Amino acid sequence: ETGVTQTPRHLVMGMTNKKSLKCEQHLGHNAMYWYKQSAKKPLELMFVYSLEERVENNSVPSRFSPECPNSSHLFLHLHTLQPEDSALYLCASSQERTGTRSYEQYFGPGTRLTVT
Amino acid sequence: AQTVTQSQPEMSVQEAETVTLSCTYDTSESDYYLFWYKQPPSRQMILVIRQEAYKQQNATENRFSVNFQKAAKSFSLKISDSQLGDAAMYFCAYRSPYNNDMRFGAGTRLTVKP
Repeated sequence: ETGVTQTPRHLVMGMTNKKSLKCEQHLGHNAMYWYKQSAKKPLELMFVYSLEERVENNSVPSRFSPECPNSSHLFLHLHTLQPEDSALYLCASSQERTGTRSYEQYFGPGTRLTVT
Repeated sequence: AQTVTQSQPEMSVQEAETVTLSCTYDTSESDYYLFWYKQPPSRQMILVIRQEAYKQQNATENRFSVNFQKAAKSFSLKISDSQLGDAAMYFCAYRSPYNNDMRFGAGTRLTVKP
C-alpha cells in the first residue's frame, strides 16, 4: 500500500448503529486529519492529530469520536448519527514542523457515508 | 479567520485550449502557503501545485501554472493544453504556517469538451 488508504470506501448505517472509519498513511508523516465533504460546501476540518497531540474542532458533535493510536493510523468512531451526517469523509496526512516548509496535505480516497 | 473564495462554481474548456480558474483569499498574515488540489470523479484529492507567499516567482508544474498576486490576495490556476483527464473539481486552499488549519474554497467544476 502506498499513500493514504481508507476503509471502508462505502458505508450505509442506521441512526442507532455504531461504526468506525479507518485511515492509514504510509508516508511517514506526523500529522493526520479528518475532513467532511458535503455537496456544494467547502471541506470542513473535523479533527487534527499533530505530533501526537489532538487538536479538536469544537463545532464537531460528540457523536463523532476520533482515535489516533499511533502516527500511521487514524480512526473515526461513529454512533447515533443523523441523516445530515451523510457525506464523504476524507482522511489526510502531512509532515509538520521539520523545517521542510511544504505543509501540503495528502488525501485518501474517502469513505462515502450514508445514514438512513 | 482566513477565508478562501472560488467565484466560479463551473467552468468548461475545449480540449487543447487554456483555462484559468480564479481564487481569492482573505488573511492578515504575511507568511502562508497556497495550494490547488484536483479531485477527479474517483474522489482522490491530488495536489496540483503549491505556492509559498514569500516567493515572488509564480509556481509552475508542467501544464499547470499560477498567477499569484499577493497584494490583491489572488491565486489563479492556469491550465494550458487542456486534456480530457483534467476534468475534475478544483479546490484552492490556504495554509497558515502557525497552525494545522487548511482552509478550502468551495471548488470549481471543470469540464473538458472533446
